[in-house]
Amino acid sequence: DGGITQSPKYLFRKEGQNVTLSCEQNLNHDAMYWYRQDPGQGLRLIYYSQIVNDFQKGDIAEGYSVSREKKESFPLTVTSAQKNPTAFYLCASSASGSVSYNEQFFGPGTRLTVL
Amino acid sequence: AQTVTQSQPEMSVQEAETVTLSCTYDTSESDYYLFWYKQPPSRQMILVIRQEAYKQQNATENRFSVNFQKAAKSFSLKISDSQLGDAAMYFCAYRRGNAGNNRKLIWGLGTSLGVNP
Repeated sequence: DGGITQSPKYLFRKEGQNVTLSCEQNLNHDAMYWYRQDPGQGLRLIYYSQIVNDFQKGDIAEGYSVSREKKESFPLTVTSAQKNPTAFYLCASSASGSVSYNEQFFGPGTRLTVL
Repeated sequence: AQTVTQSQPEMSVQEAETVTLSCTYDTSESDYYLFWYKQPPSRQMILVIRQEAYKQQNATENRFSVNFQKAAKSFSLKISDSQLGDAAMYFCAYRRGNAGNNRKLIWGLGTSLGVNP
C-alpha cells in the first residue's frame, strides 16, 4: 500500500535534548512538508522540500532542522533551541507538476511531549 | 498575503441531517485550488473534497459537496445525511495555482463538528 509513515507515534524528550522525527513516503512524491499542530491554532508549516537536497523554511522554522537526502525521506529534528516543542507533528507529501491538484497527503502524526 | 477564515469554531448536527461549514478566503489571484480536510479523533488528516478556481461547477464527493462562490471568495462544505463518523475537525485550505514551485497550503483554524445520535 502506498502511503506516508511517521515514527514513533508518541515521543518523550527531556529538556535540552535533540530528537528526530521520522517521515517516509512511498508515493513517489517530490514535495514533502512538516507541520506543527497546537490546540486552537490549526496547522503551521515548519519546513518544506520541493525536491531532493533542497528545502525551505516555513512559518515557524526556529528551533527545527531538516534534511532531504532521499526522495522518500524527510526527517525533522527538534533541537534544544525550540522553546516549546510539545505538540503534534504532521508530515505530508504531494506530487509536483502543473496538471493536477497536487493535494497533500498526510501521515498519522507524532505526538512529542517534553518532560 | 492569502488568508483563510473559518468563522465557526464549533458546530453540531443531528444524525441524518444536513450541515454546512463555512470558509472564506482572501486572494488577489485568479488561479488557485481549495480543499477541505477532515481530522477525526485519530488525528489522521484526510482529504474530503477539492475545487479548482476556474471550474464553475461545484465539486461533490458522495455525501460531501461544496458551494464555491468565486466572486464572494466563499467555499462552504455541505455534509448531507450526517453520520456519527463525520464527527471531526474540518479544515479549509487554499493553494496558489500551478505556476511556479510554491505548493504551500494556507490553512484555516478549523471547525469542530459534533454529530448527535
